[in-house]
Amino acid sequence: DSGVTQTPKHLITATGQRVTLRCSPRSGDLSVYWYQQSLDQGLQFLIQYYNGEERAKGNILERFSAQQFPDLHSELNLSSLELGDSALYFCASSLYQVPHNEQFFGPGTRLTVL
Amino acid sequence: QQQVKQSPQSLIVQKGGIPIINCAYENTAFDYFPWYQQFPGKGPALLIAIRPDVSEKKEGRFTISFNKSAKQFSLHIMDSQPGDSATYFCAAGSGGSNYKLTFGKGTLLTVNP
Repeated sequence: DSGVTQTPKHLITATGQRVTLRCSPRSGDLSVYWYQQSLDQGLQFLIQYYNGEERAKGNILERFSAQQFPDLHSELNLSSLELGDSALYFCASSLYQVPHNEQFFGPGTRLTVL
Repeated sequence: QQQVKQSPQSLIVQKGGIPIINCAYENTAFDYFPWYQQFPGKGPALLIAIRPDVSEKKEGRFTISFNKSAKQFSLHIMDSQPGDSATYFCAAGSGGSNYKLTFGKGTLLTVNP
């Protein structure tokens, strides 16, 4: 158990809908990362927050947004969902903001868009 | 543009064999090279990591070899066991203003008993 929790574990929704994925980092970790994992694209970095502020952006679509709250939990919002958004979404956390710190991954949320 | 290329996609070895997974990168600004291990239904977990100032790092049965001039690094698993069967991801990261890890596409390793 990495100490990172993600809810829900599974999510099934329809095209055009909006969903929110939630992540609680390990106790004491200030940095949260979001990744999308699909069979064809592998593990793709989406966005990183450090202590409430956005720090780095990867291949995140404009339909997706995220935020980190004062209690350090984070939410990833996916809107106008398309079939291609079906994937595993992982949250990871680390103590500091640099990638040299070990990132601890949560168990993921499997999103299925029908 | 894939900045970290990983091969092979899949690998099958017998127990006791030494599977080798290779990665190549393009961005010379990368200065941190971790390997992650992922079991089915779980998130990736850090296995071992190396900085470019050393050519080799060992942790237990796992070894990273790093060739800075060739911009390549590899993972060797000594005396592989069926419990090592998992997907392995290499990654590369750099500091600067855009902190992030770029992952390879993964290698599915199967170790037969």
